[in-house]
Amino acid sequence: EPEVTQTPSHQVTQMGQEVILRCVPISNHLYFYWYRQILGQKVEFLVSFYNNEISEKSEIFDDQFSVERPDGSNFTLKIRSTKLEDSAMYFCASTQLGASGTDTQYFGPGTRLTVL
Amino acid sequence: AQSVTQLDSQVPVFEEAPVELRCNYSSSVSVYLFWYVQYPNQGLQLLLKYLSGSTLVKGINGFEAEFNKSQTSFHLRKPSVHISDTAEYFCAVRRPNDYKLSFGAGTTVTVRA
Repeated sequence: EPEVTQTPSHQVTQMGQEVILRCVPISNHLYFYWYRQILGQKVEFLVSFYNNEISEKSEIFDDQFSVERPDGSNFTLKIRSTKLEDSAMYFCASTQLGASGTDTQYFGPGTRLTVL
Repeated sequence: AQSVTQLDSQVPVFEEAPVELRCNYSSSVSVYLFWYVQYPNQGLQLLLKYLSGSTLVKGINGFEAEFNKSQTSFHLRKPSVHISDTAEYFCAVRRPNDYKLSFGAGTTVTVRA
């Protein structure tokens, strides 16, 4: 069964450094998402992406964050200058049709980001 | 805006016993409802979803959930659990024509022999 993959599984970085989290969505999917889960808190939506544009973003997704589809398979989340509070599990997801009710968001296993 | 409350953060249960995980939501409009499961070191996997129609929804691995509009609930049940059901379970909602899922805090189910 096709699946969403994410690399790395765990990233440790120093405060102020840039990090790039990578995701490979399911190959025929067109809509891509990032969510995050701070330890002990809810999974929160960050951003959705379609046709090389952000289609929706949350208030968490400020100028420190950016997303990109650099090629036909990868979808990346960049944090320009990491803060301690960016430490979280980051999940990538993809869907074929977007906001259609019959569509399912398929999630990757997550990248645990630790900012020291 | 919509929100989800999972009423139990941890549920210990013995093997072959039934389990119920409670989920309540609030929303000013109709929503779609989902249950996801996360096994250790894996991604979120869809167990089942309610879009419309019959309020009793059957999912994978013997799970089912019942949508109750008057109580704004979507509780998940399994009549007999296995050790392999040990995982974290997330309830989520999404408005039609919206992209984002709104999740509850999760319920950790630990099944003991």
